[in-house]
Amino acid sequence: SAVISQKPSRDICQRGTSLTIQCQVDSQVTMMFWYRQQPGQSLTLIATANQGSEATYESGFVIDKFPISRPNLTFSTLTVSNMSPEDSSIYLCSVEGTSGLSYNEQFFGPGTRLTVL
Amino acid sequence: AQSVTQLGSHVSVSEGALVLLRCNYSSSVPPYLFWYVQYPNQGLQLLLKYTTGATLVKGINGFEAEFKKSETSFHLTKPSAHMSDAAEYFCAVTGSGGYNKLIFGAGTRLAVHP
Repeated sequence: SAVISQKPSRDICQRGTSLTIQCQVDSQVTMMFWYRQQPGQSLTLIATANQGSEATYESGFVIDKFPISRPNLTFSTLTVSNMSPEDSSIYLCSVEGTSGLSYNEQFFGPGTRLTVL
Repeated sequence: AQSVTQLGSHVSVSEGALVLLRCNYSSSVPPYLFWYVQYPNQGLQLLLKYTTGATLVKGINGFEAEFKKSETSFHLTKPSAHMSDAAEYFCAVTGSGGYNKLIFGAGTRLAVHP
């Protein structure tokens, strides 16, 4: 399994500002995923981040709004840019298990709870 | 393309009663199926998964699920509910090859009352 931490755990931001969320994994992983969970709803994949290449965004999500960095195999950041109240959500990162029994599993961080005023 | 349908956004059971959370999936490739649990203000924790082999899979906390290909279902059960089982449960599907993008169902909130 993988242990994942996220910073910050929560934040309250003003509209028009940007917030960068960090995701740190305790082991090297190829693929990292960023999800959004809007209030009372399920998880929606924002993008997939591979080290050394540009992130792949899902339909409805664009790089200008959600730029992602993946500088190495244990770390990634997601920025929520020019925020509006509609961006209030929990943002979660996840990684895929790569060996043994954890192969094909995704392990999730604790999430970052964002409120935009 | 893949999708997941969870029947019942809210399920309420008595402590000690059977828990049954329903999940149906659609997949154009052999699916891998997962159940995750989310406790209040926490991230997601994997309960169990089906990839290949035995269709009845057992997970943590006494939960199990059965993959029924003919019914395209992967329902989650637990013989006897405990108060600590109160949480949000998500069924998810991914393809068995290559890019492992998880598609989540809408979730089912389980309430357990004394």
